[in-house]
Amino acid sequence: TQLLEQSPQFLSIQEGENLTVYCNSSSVFSSLQWYRQEPGEGPVLLVTVVTGGEVKKLKRLTFQFGDARKDSSLHITAAQPGDTGLYLCAGRVGTASKLTFGTGTRLQVTL
Amino acid sequence: GAVVSQHPSRVICKSGTSVKIECRSLDFQATTMFWYRQFPKQSLMLMATSNEGSKATYEQGVEKDKFLINHASLTLSTLTVTSAHPEDSSFYICSARGGPGTKGSYEQYFGPGTRLTVT
Repeated sequence: TQLLEQSPQFLSIQEGENLTVYCNSSSVFSSLQWYRQEPGEGPVLLVTVVTGGEVKKLKRLTFQFGDARKDSSLHITAAQPGDTGLYLCAGRVGTASKLTFGTGTRLQVTL
Repeated sequence: GAVVSQHPSRVICKSGTSVKIECRSLDFQATTMFWYRQFPKQSLMLMATSNEGSKATYEQGVEKDKFLINHASLTLSTLTVTSAHPEDSSFYICSARGGPGTKGSYEQYFGPGTRLTVT
């Protein structure tokens, strides 16, 4: 059972456009992480958010954790071809060590 | 960040044989390691969680006798796919997490994955 739903599932945009990826759940997470994965490679951690309402920026990427810690968003400004990849959110419930991964959003940025 | 390696990166084996995949934490001690499976264009599915020196905890629906996990040291975990069949073909990814107060203690750091093809 997937506890984390991501939308959209697939997004194809041109270089320079902005986009937002959403990660939603009915569960409350103690922390939530965003990863980016390229084909044939493991996921690479982008950010971890732990506090409700928290906003973190990583260059052109802005991450937000919902006030109730049930949802999160990733906003990319002026997308570049290098942003292409599979974006995954993953949440940790309580003190559990394991992560529950979202359904994934595949982003393609073309010139 | 912390570094996790996997070996081999790709393996092809014949149906009925067993194959072992290694996961190593290179610059920290991993008290917990995780094994995931990923089908094409899908997200990661957790197979099992292993803590050093104890038996792995398998997720529902994962056959523990088919996917043998050993976490004998703080830097190495192995996944053995026994009597492999074509439906076991997949991308297997491990991750590692350190103990409290150590490098890698809060996050899970992922290996580069192993592509298994069973013919």
